[in-house]
Amino acid sequence: LAKTTQPISMDSYEGQEVNITCSHNNIATNDYITWYQQFPSQGPRFIIQGYKTKVTNEVASLFIPADRKSSTLSLPRVSLSDTAVYYCLVGVYNQGGKLIFGQGTELSVKP
Amino acid sequence: DGGITQSPKYLFRKEGQNVTLSCEQNLNHDAMYWYRQDPGQGLRLIYYSQIVNDFQKGDIAEGYSVSREKKESFPLTVTSAQKNPTAFYLCASSIGSSQETQYFGPGTRLLVL
Repeated sequence: LAKTTQPISMDSYEGQEVNITCSHNNIATNDYITWYQQFPSQGPRFIIQGYKTKVTNEVASLFIPADRKSSTLSLPRVSLSDTAVYYCLVGVYNQGGKLIFGQGTELSVKP
Repeated sequence: DGGITQSPKYLFRKEGQNVTLSCEQNLNHDAMYWYRQDPGQGLRLIYYSQIVNDFQKGDIAEGYSVSREKKESFPLTVTSAQKNPTAFYLCASSIGSSQETQYFGPGTRLLVL
C-alpha cells in the first residue's frame, strides 16, 4: 500500500482558503486518493475522492497532478468548524478494504 | 435514519476482564471494520469482515476477537490478553471490500480501571 506524507499541523484564519498537500510517491496505477475529516472524539468522515485531475464537491476540491505523486485538498473559506484532523489515504480497491490512516494533518482555524 | 451505531460510548475494563464493544449498521453494507486510535495517532486496523461468517486479521489483531454472525452486526471483544487496551475504538462499514469509502460510527472509548 502506498505510503502518504502530510504536514503534521497547519494554522489558518476564518475566511481563508486552506490547501493541504499529501505526498504519495509510490502510488500504484489502480490506487485512488481519498480524504477524510475527523473531529475530536468522533469517527472520520469521508470528504472527497479522486483518481486524477480535479474533483470538486460541496465541501472541498481535490487537485491531482498528472504524475499522481501528490494531491492537494483545498478547503474554500474555512470557518472555525473546519478545525479537525484531515487524513489522506491511498489504496487499492481490491485489497480487502484495508485503508492505512497516517497521522493526518491537524488543521486549526482561528477567528 | 441509516447509519452505524456503537455502544457503549464509554467502557471501563477491570484487569483480566474481557469486554465486548457493539457495532451495528443498517446501511446494508457487506464489509465492516474495527479500528483502534490512540491519542494523537491515526487509526490502526484490528479486524475486518467482507462477508457474514468471515473475517480477517488487521495489523493489530492480537488480544482481540470478533464475530460476524449477522450482516448488520460486528462485535469486538477485547480480551485479557490485550495488555494496553485503553484507546478509542471505531467501527466502520462499506458497501463492499471493493469500495474505499468507509462510514464510521461515533466510537467507544475504553478505559482500564
